[in-house]
Amino acid sequence: DGGITQSPKYLFRKEGQNVTLSCEQNLNHDAMYWYRQDPGQGLRLIYYSQIVNDFQKGDIAEGYSVSREKKESFPLTVTSAQKNPTAFYLCASSIGRNNYGYTFGSGTRLTVV
Amino acid sequence: EDQVTQSPEALRLQEGESSSLNCSYTVSGLRGLFWYRQDPGKGPEFLFTLYSAGEEKEKERLKATLTKKESFLHITAPKPEDSATYLCAVQASGNNRLAFGKGNQVVVIP
Repeated sequence: DGGITQSPKYLFRKEGQNVTLSCEQNLNHDAMYWYRQDPGQGLRLIYYSQIVNDFQKGDIAEGYSVSREKKESFPLTVTSAQKNPTAFYLCASSIGRNNYGYTFGSGTRLTVV
Repeated sequence: EDQVTQSPEALRLQEGESSSLNCSYTVSGLRGLFWYRQDPGKGPEFLFTLYSAGEEKEKERLKATLTKKESFLHITAPKPEDSATYLCAVQASGNNRLAFGKGNQVVVIP
């Protein structure tokens, strides 16, 4: 079955540590997105990519980095520069410019310990 | 800037008690309005896409409608399994991004 796989489901980060969240899709979608979800704040866009080897900053990109070396994969690194990383992270994909909505992964919950 | 406001933030319903959720939006040329359902600790699940004012779509106990300024998600005779957070999002013409509202948290009591 086609879909988006996020891993791990739960992740714990120590102060000053970089961590990478995985997102893989087998839907043959061109565009991929990373969102952060905090209670009462809705989904906020971190980064998005419309094509391989290209990506753009979203509304809250500071302290995060991404890469898009393969169409299927869009990993997100939460760096030590992100001062408040505890949140639920969602990856999504869409067909492309004629976007007819997103397909979401199941999310990764990141906690700072 | 595209904006989406959902109300009420939270809603408690008795099983069988029909109600409606509101999504008000401002966007520079609407390409599409989307409704998603999200269960706790899970990713959003696609429900509907609406493209033009007057359009309606139904799925089981849910019916989505669209005007030029807002969308409604009607829940008819809800069951406990309809308990979830419902997210509304809009896409502007010429833009690949979706702007999301904060969601309507619905609890249906048996």
